[in-house]
Order: sequence, then C-alpha cells, then structure tokens
Amino acid sequence: QVQLQESGPGLVKPGQTLSLTCTVSGGSIGSGSYYWTWIRQPAGKGLEWIGRIYTTGRTNYDYSLKSRASISIDTSKNQFSLNLSSVTAADTAVYYCAREYWEQLVYFDLWGRGTLVTVSS
Amino acid sequence: DIQMTQSPSSLSASVGDRVTISCRASQTVSSDLSWFQQKPGKAPKLLIFATSNLQSGVPSRFSGSGTGTDFTLTISSLQPEDFATYYCQQSYSTPRTFGQGTKVDIK
Repeated sequence: QVQLQESGPGLVKPGQTLSLTCTVSGGSIGSGSYYWTWIRQPAGKGLEWIGRIYTTGRTNYDYSLKSRASISIDTSKNQFSLNLSSVTAADTAVYYCAREYWEQLVYFDLWGRGTLVTVSS
Repeated sequence: DIQMTQSPSSLSASVGDRVTISCRASQTVSSDLSWFQQKPGKAPKLLIFATSNLQSGVPSRFSGSGTGTDFTLTISSLQPEDFATYYCQQSYSTPRTFGQGTKVDIK
C-alpha cells in the first residue's frame, strides 16, 4: 500500500534553513487526486498546517509562514520537499507529510510517521 | 482563517462510557469536517471524513454528525484503545485548520 516517509536533519541551527523530504512509496505522486501536504506539531501542542503542493507545482501556504516556506515536488523521484528559512526555536516540532484526497470529498487519508526537527545552536 | 474550537479540552471517562466531543467552526465549513485520533508518539489517524463517513477499518462505535459550524464526534462505548487525543479539522478552505484537541483519559 502507499506509504509516506519523512527524512532530513533532526537538528538545525537558528537562522538556517530547515529542509525535509517526503518520499512516496507504493504509488505515484503524479496521481491527480491528491494534494501533498506538510503539517507540524510542536511538543505538547496541536497540529499546524504549513502548506501543500499539487502535481502541477501549484502551492498554497499558511499565511504566517508564507514568506519563509517553500514546497516543491519531484515526480521523477516520487518526492516532495519543504524548505523553511530563517528558523527559530519556535519552529521546533514534529513535521508530518500527508496526502489530501480532494475529488468530491476532501480529507487527509494518509500520513507519514513524522520526524522531529529541533532548532538549536 | 477558519478557527476550530473543540470542547471539552479534556475529559475523563470509563470503559463502556458514551463519549461526545464537540467542534465549532468560526464560519461555515459545510460538511468538510474530519476527525482524527492521535496517540503519543504517533501520527494522527483519520477516523471520520466529510462529517459522518467512517474511514475504512475504523470501528463502528465511532460516529460523526453536524453541518455548517457545529459538529460532534461520538464514541458509543469507550474501549481501552480509545484513550487518546482527538482533533477536528476543516477542509472547506485554505489554510486547513485543526481544533486544539480533546484529550480523553481514564477516569
């Protein structure tokens, strides 16, 4: 079955860029029925939607992160990625990639296991 | 942004209890409302989508209802594996937003 797996550094210094990749296995990221999404969760807190990308490269971002976040897609590698620039301690969180089905009904039907990113010097 | 507010923020219940969690949106989300269950150290798990549709493999003791701005998740008979945190989430507009969560623990 289709699975998502996040990967990237677990520790990032303040002011640097956080870079994560989500690899899709067992299915094609090029399917037109899905948006590919990044969501994060600070320790002990709720879920925060960061943004999403469609197979065409069209993106949407949360307004509060729009100036720092960039999501890209590589259909040849079956991957999509998140770059978050100028990070601070407030960006420390578990980062999840997720798939959002959008035809007729809309919902997040598949999540990665998450990866903890700590921002610290 | 559409704000999602859950109540209560936490509750204590016993095995076998009927549990109800409410979710209110700051504006209409039509029926584009999902519920997730999250256990410590795990990713959220989809329970209900489009207000009342049970995700494949989810026990039938879970149900959802509502429309517009007011929604409810009901667990008809709480089981030991149901102790977790529950989140509502709207897919009506971007940015997608989640409720703050309701933690269900053992009385």
